[in-house]
Amino acid sequence: QSALTQPPSASGSPGQSVTISCTGTSSDVGNYNYVSWYQQHPGKAPELVIYEVSKRPSGVPDRFSGSKSGNTASLTVSGLQAEDEADYYCSSYAGNNNYVFGTGTKVTVL
Amino acid sequence: QVQLQESGPGLVKPSETLSLTCAVSGYSISSGYYWGWIRQPPGKGLELIGSVYHTGGTFYNPSLRSRVTISVDTSRNQFSLNLSSVTAADTAVYYCATLLTHFDYWGQGILVTVSS
Repeated sequence: QSALTQPPSASGSPGQSVTISCTGTSSDVGNYNYVSWYQQHPGKAPELVIYEVSKRPSGVPDRFSGSKSGNTASLTVSGLQAEDEADYYCSSYAGNNNYVFGTGTKVTVL
Repeated sequence: QVQLQESGPGLVKPSETLSLTCAVSGYSISSGYYWGWIRQPPGKGLELIGSVYHTGGTFYNPSLRSRVTISVDTSRNQFSLNLSSVTAADTAVYYCATLLTHFDYWGQGILVTVSS
């Protein structure tokens, strides 16, 4: 099972938007609406920011949004803030109780 | 609010077995959820090791299946990970987490180093 493909880095100025892609296959991202996204600050555990493609957990700002088209899912962070600088990982259900993670994207707020 | 806390040795010798426990509070394991173990080598990405249901049913990552055992102890409200025949490549931060269609609650993680 290969990891989902994410760009290594993305950046934007405060107030701008940044979009991160997550590319899988028809066996994972393309076949299930169980894509989730995690934010991880240095030395901290990952935190869920999006689940089931586009749903936001309670307490996550509506600046975070998710979508999916075919085998590619995307996370958009609008109105970038300094605290959004972190690593972001996608994950997708891949069938038979298996979940695969993305390669991770480092978001820098310029 | 579900809380999870990993515990176990921070240093394991090569060829030995890595054993970790995840204590759950604020929720009864018997009530549902799958319970997962995820690891992250230093400077690298996340990898699902496997998961266990409260009834004991398990999933193991095919790449680790021959070395992994995950079990649940409902009486102590905790679940455990055993990873045998470890090498330096198993050095990582190990996280436990709840699992539905996503990993919503995570432990703080525990760094396990494999070294003699």
